[in-house]
Amino acid sequence: DTGVSQDPRHKITKRGQNVTFRCDPISEHNRLYWYRQTLGQGPEFLTYFQNEAQLEKSRLLSDRFSAERPKGSFSTLEIQRTEQGDSAMYLCASSLRTPFTDTQYFGPGTRLTVL
Amino acid sequence: QKEVEQDPGPLSVPEGAIVSLNCTYSNSAFQYFMWYRQYSRKGPELLMYTYSSGNKEDGRFTAQVDKSSKYISLFIRDSQPSDSATYLCAMYMRTGANSKLTFGKGITLSVRP
Repeated sequence: DTGVSQDPRHKITKRGQNVTFRCDPISEHNRLYWYRQTLGQGPEFLTYFQNEAQLEKSRLLSDRFSAERPKGSFSTLEIQRTEQGDSAMYLCASSLRTPFTDTQYFGPGTRLTVL
Repeated sequence: QKEVEQDPGPLSVPEGAIVSLNCTYSNSAFQYFMWYRQYSRKGPELLMYTYSSGNKEDGRFTAQVDKSSKYISLFIRDSQPSDSATYLCAMYMRTGANSKLTFGKGITLSVRP
């Protein structure tokens, strides 16, 4: 399968614990995006990478959140000291930015439940 | 006011019906418009992608963009039970480096056999 993959698919944790999610983009894509989706809402932008550089972070991304993309391949999103309000689906998308397009393809998501 | 507004749902139609899904947006800088389909507990899947005003057809799906009215639509002909999903409109602008998508809330469609 050559699509975007995410791991784990589901994560249940207790409030205050740290969690880390992984995203593997489509191999030739140079851009990687993280979004968060809560029930009944559309996805909301969190941050994105061009190769290994993190170029923009949303104000939704508090200082408890950190994302990395070492070597410009896979990416990790870590949430420290989780809160119940962090419960959501965390979506990763990748794209190949060209002068004409930047179409994003999404992975299956990681569903986080904070108890 | 949100940047992207999507008609509230849910929507239930009989099999074979023509479905019209609509979004409006407020930021005239948006240039690229997409429709994603999302099945329950799955990631969004790209259905249609348009740039200019006008219609774009792909099988039973037609995407329509009216930039002067800031209005986009997705039409589904001969709807099937397998079309039952949440449909999300999304858009972005290419000014600057970030092509982050701004989504509508989504509308849940149910096609009854």
